[in-house]
Amino acid sequence: KAGVTQTPRYLIKTRGQQVTLSCSPISGHRSVSWYQQTPGQGLQFLFEYFSETQRNKGNFPGRFSGRQFSNSRSEMNVSTLELGDSALYLCASSSGLAGGNEQFFGPGTRLTVL
Amino acid sequence: GESVGLHLPTLSVQEGDNSIINCAYSNSASDYFIWYKQESGKGPQFIIDIRSNMDKRQGQRVTVLLNKTVKHLSLQIAATQPGDSAVYFCAENMKSSYKLIFGSGTRLLVRP
Repeated sequence: KAGVTQTPRYLIKTRGQQVTLSCSPISGHRSVSWYQQTPGQGLQFLFEYFSETQRNKGNFPGRFSGRQFSNSRSEMNVSTLELGDSALYLCASSSGLAGGNEQFFGPGTRLTVL
Repeated sequence: GESVGLHLPTLSVQEGDNSIINCAYSNSASDYFIWYKQESGKGPQFIIDIRSNMDKRQGQRVTVLLNKTVKHLSLQIAATQPGDSAVYFCAENMKSSYKLIFGSGTRLLVRP
């Protein structure tokens, strides 16, 4: 069974631009979560989608948004990029059912904002 | 590969020794806990999980201990190998929530 895939793996943008990252979950998984990882803040939750609905959202500004498609693939968008948005963005998939939340992570997208 | 944390606490152990990595979690309402391993350039990899109705769970060479009284989680790795060198994160989850809250991580270095 293929794992979680994320594209692109690396991205370089300049301040003020916007970016869209993509995540394909493990086949059969309906939940996709997004996390930001930085050396200073560690791993922080952005949001989670299940069956195309956002179920939970972290404490990030509105510049960070996401969506999920009917095939469970998800995208996240960051608008008006700031230098501090440079990070590793990780996507994780799970069944999304109650009782546990074993999440499987993709390799991440390394975003650098210049 | 990229660094996942420049100022992480580091545990250095001799190959073959046992390792114990500790984690204090934040929310007494959390009922599900996971340990992840992250190698340079990769996403976190699931190691073992435990639910709040248990205080110990064993896997292959790994054991997780949960002490809800003091909100403490530990990961024990038996016969540590060079391939175990990585950053280890604990994560907690509440049943009513669909997000994981991660600890700050511990870097494990295995000396040959």
